[in-house]
Amino acid sequence: GAVVSQHPSRVICKSGTSVKIECRSLDFQATTMFWYRQFPKQSLMLMATSNEGSKATYEQGVEKDKFLINHASLTLSTLTVTSAHPEDSSFYICSARDGRITEAFFGQGTRLTVV
Amino acid sequence: GQNIDQPTEMTATEGAIVQINCTYQTSGFNGLFWYQQHAGEAPTFLSYNVLDGLEEKGRFSSFLSRSKGYSYLLLKELQMKDSASYLCAVYKAAGNKLTFGGGTRVLVKP
Repeated sequence: GAVVSQHPSRVICKSGTSVKIECRSLDFQATTMFWYRQFPKQSLMLMATSNEGSKATYEQGVEKDKFLINHASLTLSTLTVTSAHPEDSSFYICSARDGRITEAFFGQGTRLTVV
Repeated sequence: GQNIDQPTEMTATEGAIVQINCTYQTSGFNGLFWYQQHAGEAPTFLSYNVLDGLEEKGRFSSFLSRSKGYSYLLLKELQMKDSASYLCAVYKAAGNKLTFGGGTRVLVKP
C-alpha cells in the first residue's frame, strides 16, 4: 500500500505554545488529507478535510483558528495546534487519499502532550 | 449526519471465531471500510465493501448489506495478536468524508 509519513511521532510542549504536525504522502499525490483526533480508548474523530490548494473544511465544533491546516502541495499537509492547552493533549492522526482510489492511508500518528 | 454503531468490547478465545457488527445510518454511502488499530498505533486497512455480499481475505471476511445499513467483520482462527480495536468507517463521496464508528475492542484470551 501507499506510504504516509507523519512527523513528529511524539511531542511535548508547554501550555501556550504552538505545535506543527506534518503529514507527507511519500509515493503518491494526496488530493485529499484528513486530520483526526483520538482520545484514549475512543475512536477517531474527524477534525477537518483538506483538499490541495483550497481551504480546509472543519467539522462542527472544531475551532479553525486553533487548529490551522495547510495543504499547500499534493504531498504535504500540516496541522498547527496554536496556543496549546493541556486539554489539547491527544493522539492526532492524518490520512491521505489519492483521488483515483477510495482507500485512505494513515500516518503513524502524533502523540501530543501539553504540560 | 451519520450514525455508526458498533459494540464497545468483545472477548473471545484463541482459535475461535468472532463477528463484529456495524450498523450505520447515513444520508450518502459510497463504501464501508474496516480498520484494525493496536493501542498507540495508527489504523491499518483490513477491507473495503461497496457492493452487497461477503469479501473474504484470509482469516478475515467482511460483509455488507446496503439495504439494511449493516456490515460485519468476521475474524476466524483467532490469534493473540488479533487483540486490538476494530473500526468500521463509512465513506461518503459527497464531501469526501470517511467517518468512523466508535470502534470495538477485541480481547483474545488463551
